[in-house]
Amino acid sequence: GENVEQHPSTLSVQEGDSAVIKCTYSDSASNYFPWYKQELGKRPQLIIDIRSNVGEKKDQRIAVTLNKTAKHFSLHITETQPEDSAVYFCAATLNTGFQKLVFGTGTRLLVSP
Amino acid sequence: EPEVTQTPSHQVTQMGQEVILRCVPISNHLYFYWYRQILGQKVEFLVSFYNNEISEKSEIFDDQFSVERPDGSNFTLKIRSTKLEDSAMYFCASSGQGNGYGYTFGSGTRLTVV
Repeated sequence: GENVEQHPSTLSVQEGDSAVIKCTYSDSASNYFPWYKQELGKRPQLIIDIRSNVGEKKDQRIAVTLNKTAKHFSLHITETQPEDSAVYFCAATLNTGFQKLVFGTGTRLLVSP
Repeated sequence: EPEVTQTPSHQVTQMGQEVILRCVPISNHLYFYWYRQILGQKVEFLVSFYNNEISEKSEIFDDQFSVERPDGSNFTLKIRSTKLEDSAMYFCASSGQGNGYGYTFGSGTRLTVV
């Protein structure tokens, strides 16, 4: 089955810096890769996603890149703000019926003012 | 924006007791899921449900667990005889499509087994 690894486990940056979180997946058939932000005690919230027919997707300060050959994808946050502080999870899934999301282990991002 | 609703938000139960966690998925969604997150760990898949039957379940979802859609709106997770290691946040999710797109998570039920 699919296995998703995520690095780093913690990331501390200064406000205004960029942050990059990386994930690798094992199943080459996976073709949908969402990123979730989870604040303490709250539900995971989708912040951006990418499908395997696209190499990069951007939404304001957030971007995701996908390298299908290497089976890795990354989340890039530019101009970080303290409110970006949270745990970020990557996930992967197959684009077929009722597929589960396989989550990475999470990255705790701390943005210091 | 439509939401997935979960009740209760927090439940404390004694080891060996049965618990039922309740979820109301988004009304026009057809695919329903339960996930679990032990404190400080990643979100783990438990079970998916479509067309009134389980479509997939993980190794975690053993005979102590069951799911049901008793009516047109509720989706429940039952743990028959709780163990200490069942303590976790349980998230319900629903999707209008079965391919991971458009997942919406509920706010979770924190289950504490004492």
